[in-house]
Amino acid sequence: QVQLQESGPGLVEPSGTLSLTCAVFGVSISNPNWWSWVRQPPGKGLEWIGEIYHSGSTSYNPSLKSRVIVSVDKSNNQFSLRLISVTAADTAVYYCASGIVGARGSVNQWGQGTLVIVSS
Amino acid sequence: EVVLTQSPGTLSLSPGDRATVSCRASQSVGSINLAWHQQKPGQAPRLLIYGASSRATGIPDRFSGSGSGTDFTLTISRLEPEDFAVYYCQQFGHSPWTFGQGTKVEIK
Repeated sequence: QVQLQESGPGLVEPSGTLSLTCAVFGVSISNPNWWSWVRQPPGKGLEWIGEIYHSGSTSYNPSLKSRVIVSVDKSNNQFSLRLISVTAADTAVYYCASGIVGARGSVNQWGQGTLVIVSS
Repeated sequence: EVVLTQSPGTLSLSPGDRATVSCRASQSVGSINLAWHQQKPGQAPRLLIYGASSRATGIPDRFSGSGSGTDFTLTISRLEPEDFAVYYCQQFGHSPWTFGQGTKVEIK
């Protein structure tokens, strides 16, 4: 059973950089699979941010593509999200997720989520 | 991008009732690239259904999914108290992957 745990600062200043890490437990991140980030503004719906394959190949939501980087750290069995030039609109609960093997874009297991507030 | 429109926005039902949630896609997403997730207040979403009709591990058989192409349905045959939550459909047939706006199933 895969388990995912997000970590990172809960408060980021406007125009700053949001950085989160997702630790993966129960499976090697080097196994063939996609690893994703999804966010949810308070009281709103879910938005897919981007994903990374075990090989390092990435794909991003065009609405965020110019500001986001997802990377993988195989030595620590984790993957990360960086979002630059944040504004209040980036305030959200950020979830990391693992996909169903062989089904790119799917979400099989969710992390518990971490709230990031953009404010000075 | 594929827009997923869920209906109704809110469903007011009693325990034991049957719940039916619809998800319509702005273009075909195929027959297997559709999932349903359940989210309770203050919790992360949880995968219920993948491949349009396959239950995820540990999901009770009162939950079922159907549909293909642009029209999909989530059915809860008999609502249990723990089923009152928000339900989201998600498509992964065309990038960017997208979610519906959610359907809240509330106690009447």
